[in-house]
Amino acid sequence: EPEVTQTPSHQVTQMGQEVILRCVPISNHLYFYWYRQILGQKVEFLVSFYNNEISEKSEIFDDQFSVERPDGSNFTLKIRSTKLEDSAMYFCASSGSGTQNEKLFFGSGTQLSVL
Amino acid sequence: GEDVEQSLFLSVREGDSSVINCTYTDSSSTYLYWYKQEPGAGLQLLTYIFSNMDMKQDQRLTVLLNKKDKHLSLRIADTQTGDSAIYFCAESISTGRRALTFGSGTRLQVQP
Repeated sequence: EPEVTQTPSHQVTQMGQEVILRCVPISNHLYFYWYRQILGQKVEFLVSFYNNEISEKSEIFDDQFSVERPDGSNFTLKIRSTKLEDSAMYFCASSGSGTQNEKLFFGSGTQLSVL
Repeated sequence: GEDVEQSLFLSVREGDSSVINCTYTDSSSTYLYWYKQEPGAGLQLLTYIFSNMDMKQDQRLTVLLNKKDKHLSLRIADTQTGDSAIYFCAESISTGRRALTFGSGTRLQVQP
């Protein structure tokens, strides 16, 4: 069964450093998303992406964050200057078109630790 | 704003039915979802229901939606030890918008 793949599974970085989290969505999907879950808190929406542009973003997704689809298969989340409070599990998701648009499939997540 | 609430923990015996409950606040919810998360794994979509439906059944899973009370439940029949996981309820509030709002998750523990 097709799945969303995220790399790396764990990322440790120093505060102030830039990180890029990578995702390979399901191949025929057109909608892409990033969510995050801070330890002990709810899964929160960050951003959705369609047709090479951001379609929606939350208040969390400030200027420190950016997303990109650099080629036909990858979808990335960049955090420019990481803060301690960016430590979280980051989930990528994708969904198809038409009647499949409602079904979001999530990856296994990247655990980001900012020291 | 949208809010989704779930109880934190449920323990059942193997073979019993499990019922996991969820309440939400936004009456304009269009789709409601159940996701399962096993240790170290991502969020696995179990099932979802459109808001004009009252019930959806998929093998051992039954979803009930009470729009009047804004209450969603997931019933797992003949619960197995492999069903032990965290179950998340989530909602999206309009067609075309996929910013899901998640509950805190219910940890289901299945005793052999």
